[in-house]
Amino acid sequence: QITLKESGPTLVKPTQTLTLTCTFSGFSLSSSGVGVGWIRQPPGKALEWLALIYWNDDERYSPSLRNRLTITKDTSKNQVVLTMTNMDPVDTGTYYCAHSSIGYCSSTSCLNYFDPWGQGTLVTVSS
Amino acid sequence: DIVMTQSPDSLAVSLGERATINCKSSQSVLYSSNNKNYLAWYQQKPGQPPKLVIYWASIRESGVPDRFSGSGSGTDFTLTISSLQAEDVAVYYCQQYYSSPPTFGQGTKLEIK
Repeated sequence: QITLKESGPTLVKPTQTLTLTCTFSGFSLSSSGVGVGWIRQPPGKALEWLALIYWNDDERYSPSLRNRLTITKDTSKNQVVLTMTNMDPVDTGTYYCAHSSIGYCSSTSCLNYFDPWGQGTLVTVSS
Repeated sequence: DIVMTQSPDSLAVSLGERATINCKSSQSVLYSSNNKNYLAWYQQKPGQPPKLVIYWASIRESGVPDRFSGSGSGTDFTLTISSLQAEDVAVYYCQQYYSSPPTFGQGTKLEIK
């Protein structure tokens, strides 16, 4: 059974850097094809994909947030860490990590759906 | 980026009746070489994370009741709940994974009439 759990601060100040950790079990990020992604959801709003890291250290980022995001993995600890710099109140929301994998490649990518998801962690950006 | 647009934004259906949610992509998410539509549907109940319901546009995730079905191809997709149950009340999202970045629809809130 695959499980994921997000952890990190619940409150950050504007301009600060957010660091979130996803701790998972039931799979290994050293296994071929495996990935972990981050997705966020502002209160009452839709889902927004942020970043993805694969077993082979391939990193993918949202183009609109690329210059603020860094995703890393620690295979020995079964953890994936997301850092987001220069936090702003509009970044308030629930941050989820989710299991993914390399899927059937299309003409442009080898993305896949996300399953399962962690419970999420609510991050509020306020002074 | 591929823009995903769902309709309607909200929907109220009587128990036991059919619920239909639509999702339209700004570009085709069908890859002709393998005839696969790179489209997933998620269910999000209040206070819970999204749960995968359908992938490859029409394949039901393990454990999902067979009253849920997905259809469509190319740019137009539909999630159908054949006989609405109380536990189906949720917000439903479509997601394309044909190209990066993966993108989600704005969500459709399904309620009981």
